[in-house]
Amino acid sequence: GAVVSQHPSRVICKSGTSVKIECRSLDFQATTMFWYRQFPKKSLMLMATSNEGSKATYEQGVEKDKFLINHASLTLSTLTVTSAHPEDSSFYICSARSFLRGRQWAFFGQGTRLTVV
Amino acid sequence: QKEVEQDPGPLSVPEGAIVSLNCTYSNSAFQYFMWYRQYSRKGPELLMYTYSSGNKEDGRFTAQVDKSSKYISLFIRDSQPSDSATYLCASFPGGYNKLIFGAGTRLAVHP
Repeated sequence: GAVVSQHPSRVICKSGTSVKIECRSLDFQATTMFWYRQFPKKSLMLMATSNEGSKATYEQGVEKDKFLINHASLTLSTLTVTSAHPEDSSFYICSARSFLRGRQWAFFGQGTRLTVV
Repeated sequence: QKEVEQDPGPLSVPEGAIVSLNCTYSNSAFQYFMWYRQYSRKGPELLMYTYSSGNKEDGRFTAQVDKSSKYISLFIRDSQPSDSATYLCASFPGGYNKLIFGAGTRLAVHP
């Protein structure tokens, strides 16, 4: 299957600093990338959708100035958590959508566990 | 009403049991159906992909879609402790960008 690489897998940062998470599609071009947040024992919560070269579309209640998304190429999207606070601690997962063999597919990264202290 | 409904469980079964995981959906525009497996603290992994009514088998896993009743299922035969995970059903509605998920069912297979 297609591979989506997400980095880092874990990060601990101090309150007030910014953290960047990278998501790369390794062997396919991703027309769209999605960023999710997941709380313990809960389902994935979509934060934003980004298309290459366009501004991201944020879900209701997600602060676009806090969660900066850049999708500079068809294989790379980044999520920057700015001025992180302890309540931003969570599991963040990216997903890359592609059209392969005439169908839509979505593949996920390994996730990033962010802890803000 | 959520677009994809899934019983969150938890579901606990003995090793070797047949597991049935189910989802219902409300939007007739849904075309592609996927089952993902998510282990704790990992990203979801694509298990099965179907796009038409009927069954699709892959090893111990069978995905079933019934578009007339808007019902999708995942069967796991000879379940193993390593199958213990959360299973998420998902679909791309036709023309939509977003992948719509069920809540996920937590499965525990005990030896």
